[in-house]
Amino acid sequence: AQTVTQSQPEMSVQEAETVTLSCTYDTSENNYYLFWYKQPPSRQMILVIRQEAYKQQNATENRFSVNFQKAAKSFSLKISDSQLGDTAMYFCAFIQPLHSISNFGNEKLTFGTGTRLTIIP
Amino acid sequence: DAGVIQSPRHEVTEMGQEVTLRCKPISGHDYLFWYRQTMMRGLELLIYFNNNVPIDDSGMPEDRFSAKMPNASFSTLKIQPSEPRDSAVYFCASSFEITGELFFGEGSRLTVL
Repeated sequence: AQTVTQSQPEMSVQEAETVTLSCTYDTSENNYYLFWYKQPPSRQMILVIRQEAYKQQNATENRFSVNFQKAAKSFSLKISDSQLGDTAMYFCAFIQPLHSISNFGNEKLTFGTGTRLTIIP
Repeated sequence: DAGVIQSPRHEVTEMGQEVTLRCKPISGHDYLFWYRQTMMRGLELLIYFNNNVPIDDSGMPEDRFSAKMPNASFSTLKIQPSEPRDSAVYFCASSFEITGELFFGEGSRLTVL
């Protein structure tokens, strides 16, 4: 089974600073997808960014970018110019598509335990 | 589209009672997921459907839990009988493809006394 590890339960940073959230995962497959989801205090989860493992270029969405290190199985999220609205739980997630040879029936999106990020005014 | 719609938002019930949570996915999405979130266990996938068919229910805790998807626009998660340890936030999510973005509902907070 896949595992996703977020080693930072909580982080805080001053507004306008840059913060990096770490995520590592475990897989023997070559083709998979990685995600960062945000859960603000309102509770509804929303997608922040998505990375396809076969793409070497790191995904970027405005102030959010990832550092995808495939060999190290690392997928960190960088938030630049942090804003108060970035305060939330952030979850890293991983999925392998159905057609992976050794993965039949195991295509579940697995979430990490989350990092609670607080942006300080 | 209004997004994924879940009801009720909050449910407080007594141990032993039946609980039914409801979900309306986004139109056109082929996949529907039920997740449970607790402080102790984080986000757990309970079951997911593809084209209304249950694909993987290995996350369903026990026989007290059941889920159905009678049509493409409606799913239910039922707990009977409910127990205090079932207290959690239950999320429904839908997606167009299995590797695509999940769209979550606002969740149903269940408290079993």
